[in-house]
Amino acid sequence: NAGVTQTPKFQVLKTGQSMTLQCAQDMNHEYMSWYRQDPGMGLRLIHYSVGAGITDQGEVPNGYNVSRSTTEDFPLRLLSAAPSQTSVYFCASRRAETNEKLFFGSGTQLSVL
Amino acid sequence: AQTVTQSQPEMSVQEAETVTLSCTYDTSESDYYLFWYKQPPSRQMILVIRQEAYKQQNATENRFSVNFQKAAKSFSLKISDSQLGDAAMYFCPTGNQFYFGTGTSLTVIP
Repeated sequence: NAGVTQTPKFQVLKTGQSMTLQCAQDMNHEYMSWYRQDPGMGLRLIHYSVGAGITDQGEVPNGYNVSRSTTEDFPLRLLSAAPSQTSVYFCASRRAETNEKLFFGSGTQLSVL
Repeated sequence: AQTVTQSQPEMSVQEAETVTLSCTYDTSESDYYLFWYKQPPSRQMILVIRQEAYKQQNATENRFSVNFQKAAKSFSLKISDSQLGDAAMYFCPTGNQFYFGTGTSLTVIP
């Protein structure tokens, strides 16, 4: 079982560059989400999706775009990277029922210089 | 909006002793679940225990148990017989969108 797969694991960007963090799950989960983790800040929700074609903003959506064209994939796009976006990014998924646990990817360490 | 507060940024416990991590939350949802996750240095997120808010009985999972006080919106985690492998960051997300707090860093002293 692959579970939730994030690529890349590490990335260095220059300010102003764009990139896409990839997230794929093979568990047929309806719900997918993106978090960023910063020291002392815990995990903060960026965007989430309750199914293909449906996305919504979380706590810290500014500077990030998402789309959900398939159930399996939920990419996170940085259109113009800023040093404040240096962080560890986690993708997660679960079934629609609220008592289901979140399955997490292994994270992407992003540095913006 | 959901808020989760973990008022203890760092905690330490002697190996084999008991420690309690606190968590309070605020939610407007009527039906919700609460979770404790641990994150060791490997960065992996691991589910520790899950509590259904409509159940009076506190959840227990081996050495881990919760004290759920719904009226006070409090959800603490008790770790008994602490082991070195329990050293990690602990988070208590809640709400349908899984809002996380800032976490508690637990150190286990040999």
